[in-house]
Amino acid sequence: SYVLTQPPSVSVAPGQTARITCGGNNIGSKSVHWYQQKPGQAPVLVVYDDRDRPSGIPERFSGSNSGNTATLTISRVEAGDEADYYCQVWDSSSDHLVVFGGGTKLTVL
Amino acid sequence: QVQLVQSGGEVKKPGASVKVSCKASGYTFTSYGVTWVRQAPGQGLEWMGWISGYNGNTNYAQKLQGRVTMTTDTSTSTAYMELRSLRSDDTAVYYCARNYLLRELDYWGQGTLVTVSS
Repeated sequence: SYVLTQPPSVSVAPGQTARITCGGNNIGSKSVHWYQQKPGQAPVLVVYDDRDRPSGIPERFSGSNSGNTATLTISRVEAGDEADYYCQVWDSSSDHLVVFGGGTKLTVL
Repeated sequence: QVQLVQSGGEVKKPGASVKVSCKASGYTFTSYGVTWVRQAPGQGLEWMGWISGYNGNTNYAQKLQGRVTMTTDTSTSTAYMELRSLRSDDTAVYYCARNYLLRELDYWGQGTLVTVSS
């Protein structure tokens, strides 16, 4: 089945830029979606189709996808951005229609 | 506004079954699918399966085949997920989420904690 690989943790100081990667075989040919999950809460969609933002999501959240790596970029990081982030794709060729990355804990120092 | 409201937490004994509901509002239920995702304590997100709100077609994760059944009731815009022969490692928060075709999961329910313990 298709595998998405994320770093377990990323740390960044307030005001700096955080980059969270999601690796997968030829992931650039797929649409990647990103979710933010704060403790005790349901996931929230923050980027879809590689780079689009749902209404209400700040412009500080952006995405890119090429080759074997997709990236979620959070500019001007705030304390409230501290959360777990998951990438996700659909993969109709495997036994898992929906594939999630293992998640990345973003810590704001 | 789109809302997915799930049923309350459950405590079950090993070998029992659980049925979680997910009531949708704020959109045309039959125009979207419902995806079920679970999250064990301290772990990541695990896809369980998907059901079409249009015709009830399903696709289940292979590891749950034979133990899980997803259904819908279009008259009440409610999706259901039943898991049988529960084991301790089924202890998790179960989420439903809306999706249009094979696209992003744009709205999520609040989650339902299912605890399996003797």
